[in-house]
Amino acid sequence: GNSVTQMEGPVTLSEEAFLTINCTYTATGYPSLFWYVQYPGEGLQLLLKATKADDKGSNKGFEATYRKETTSFHLEKGSVQVSDSAVYFCALRRGGGSNYKLTFGKGTLLTVNP
Amino acid sequence: GAGVSQSPRYKVAKRGQDVALRCDPISGHVSLFWYQQALGQGPEFLTYFQNEAQLDKSGLPSDRFFAERPEGSVSTLKIQRTQQEDSAVYLCASSLEEEYEQFFGPGTRLTVL
Repeated sequence: GNSVTQMEGPVTLSEEAFLTINCTYTATGYPSLFWYVQYPGEGLQLLLKATKADDKGSNKGFEATYRKETTSFHLEKGSVQVSDSAVYFCALRRGGGSNYKLTFGKGTLLTVNP
Repeated sequence: GAGVSQSPRYKVAKRGQDVALRCDPISGHVSLFWYQQALGQGPEFLTYFQNEAQLDKSGLPSDRFFAERPEGSVSTLKIQRTQQEDSAVYLCASSLEEEYEQFFGPGTRLTVL
């Protein structure tokens, strides 16, 4: 079946540090890949997505590239801010018909200190 | 505009009690989803509605879990005879159609004592 494995947290960084959160997946066919973010007390928000191999999703300074050869979708940001502190979830949605189910990783808690 | 809302935000139940969790999706969204998020885990799919039709309930963990969306808008997730293992955050999401972006509510945190 489909699964997502992401880097265990928590991750603690200083402001302006470089961030990488690793994510690998197992899926049949050609899934779409997502990063969601959950700020304290709020619902999950879509951060970025990529729908086919070699696509790069980007938003708010975050980037992730869909790598089919390594089945990965690592999240990166060049310079984190305190406001980026949140839980980050990698997720996939399988390709093909009736592809509405999202399969999530366990989440990675990021804390950015000033 | 208004996002997905859920109520209550927190619910404490004694083991064996029945609970009902409400989801108000974004107006006009055809698709509605329920997910369960256990502590330290990612959300897991429970069930999917297209308008009032429940098209997929493959993720419901037992027959104690029941969901409905009778008028194709508000949805209720009901858990009968709650057990401690039901303690989790229950997330509702809606989307314009099934393949579009899912917008999540803040969740209901259920604690079963």
